Amino acid sequence: SAVISQKPSRDICQRGTSLTIQCQVDSQVTMMFWYRQQPGQSLTLIATANQGSEATYESGFVIDKFPISRPNLTFSTLTVSNMSPEDSSIYLCSVEEPNNYGYTFGSGTRLTVV
Amino acid sequence: QKEVEQDPGPLSVPEGAIVSLNCTYSNSAFQYFMWYRQYSRKGPELLMYTYSSGNKEDGRFTAQVDKSSKYISLFIRDSQPSDSATYLCAMNLGAQKLVFGQGTRLTINP
Repeated sequence: SAVISQKPSRDICQRGTSLTIQCQVDSQVTMMFWYRQQPGQSLTLIATANQGSEATYESGFVIDKFPISRPNLTFSTLTVSNMSPEDSSIYLCSVEEPNNYGYTFGSGTRLTVV
Repeated sequence: QKEVEQDPGPLSVPEGAIVSLNCTYSNSAFQYFMWYRQYSRKGPELLMYTYSSGNKEDGRFTAQVDKSSKYISLFIRDSQPSDSATYLCAMNLGAQKLVFGQGTRLTINP
């Protein structure tokens, strides 16, 4: 299965600032997914990132708040902008495995906004 | 109503017990069903991946899908303390976003 390196693993940020999370995959993938996992909750898809095109955002998530870059087939970034304490969550990137073998996740970025 | 319902627990069982974890869903179009295990401070790890109704076994784990009832299960035999984690069910239509259950926190007591 794909190996995903996600960083930073955790960060504590001041409200009003921005944090960029990086996701590196050891193989080329068409789509990369960004999820949010709020404390005690399940995973919610933020957006799908395709190389060479704009990300597709889910209802409730907007590009101004969560801009995404996808410069090539192995790398993506998610920025959490103008942070507030409500943005404190775990953010995870994910890729789909080929041949219908499910989805692999990175280890996550634990963000605390103070 | 959530698309996928999963009892968050917590569920605590003695070592060696058989564990049954379950999810129900409302969208009959879901075709692919997954179970993930998530240890504290880690990302979800894929345990089982199934398509359509039936059973799939992998070691101590068995995934069961009943599409007529919109019900999926994960059974863990001979449970070990190392199985203590949060278990998340997930499903999709294929090449679509995953829809997750809330996750069940499981503790196996030695």
